[in-house]
Amino acid sequence: GQQLNQSPQSMFIQEGEDVSMNCTSSSIFNTWLWYKQEPGEGPVLLIALYKAGELTSNGRLTAQFGITRKDSFLNISASIPSDVGIYFCAGRSAGTYKYIFGTGTRLKVLA
Amino acid sequence: GAVVSQHPSWVICKSGTSVKIECRSLDFQATTMFWYRQFPKQSLMLMATSNEGSKATYEQGVEKDKFLINHASLTLSTLTVTSAHPEDSSFYICSALFGLAGDTQYFGPGTRLTVL
Repeated sequence: GQQLNQSPQSMFIQEGEDVSMNCTSSSIFNTWLWYKQEPGEGPVLLIALYKAGELTSNGRLTAQFGITRKDSFLNISASIPSDVGIYFCAGRSAGTYKYIFGTGTRLKVLA
Repeated sequence: GAVVSQHPSWVICKSGTSVKIECRSLDFQATTMFWYRQFPKQSLMLMATSNEGSKATYEQGVEKDKFLINHASLTLSTLTVTSAHPEDSSFYICSALFGLAGDTQYFGPGTRLTVL
């Protein structure tokens, strides 16, 4: 099935560093969701974006809905060891209930 | 946020048997639920859309007779893997749409199926 291009694929960072990842689509979306998944568990919703240009924060996490409506960004500030996991973006176009998922960004934080 | 549960969290079965996985929305009603399959180190693969009171819609390449979906109430969808074989071993995750416009999707904790 279709997947969104998410980058980077993986990141190894030092504790305390900031993290940026992004997701791009060839289609225009009207909703973007960001999830975190840990091993053996289902994805957990982090942030939901519903409007182009929207910037939303959840603690140390900030996500933005790109102006072109074809991309979205997730930033994590001052990373900590428990930020380890796989981060997925998901986007949805108007007129459908189905979300398309990104390929995932695997984050590892070195203490 | 909305809570979605799955049961069982893991199951081991013999080849040829059928396995049923339940997905429940605990604190909201879900007209639409989704079933995903995930292989190790890969993203989620949508298998089917489960709609309350109607037949499920399957993605291309997913055998509907193999993966039976029933969405009998606004809080429960079930996935039955019929005549399971080792290649059906995987992590199965359900999700439910939440909100007036169904804008947000919440996932269950997943079910690890191992077929011997």
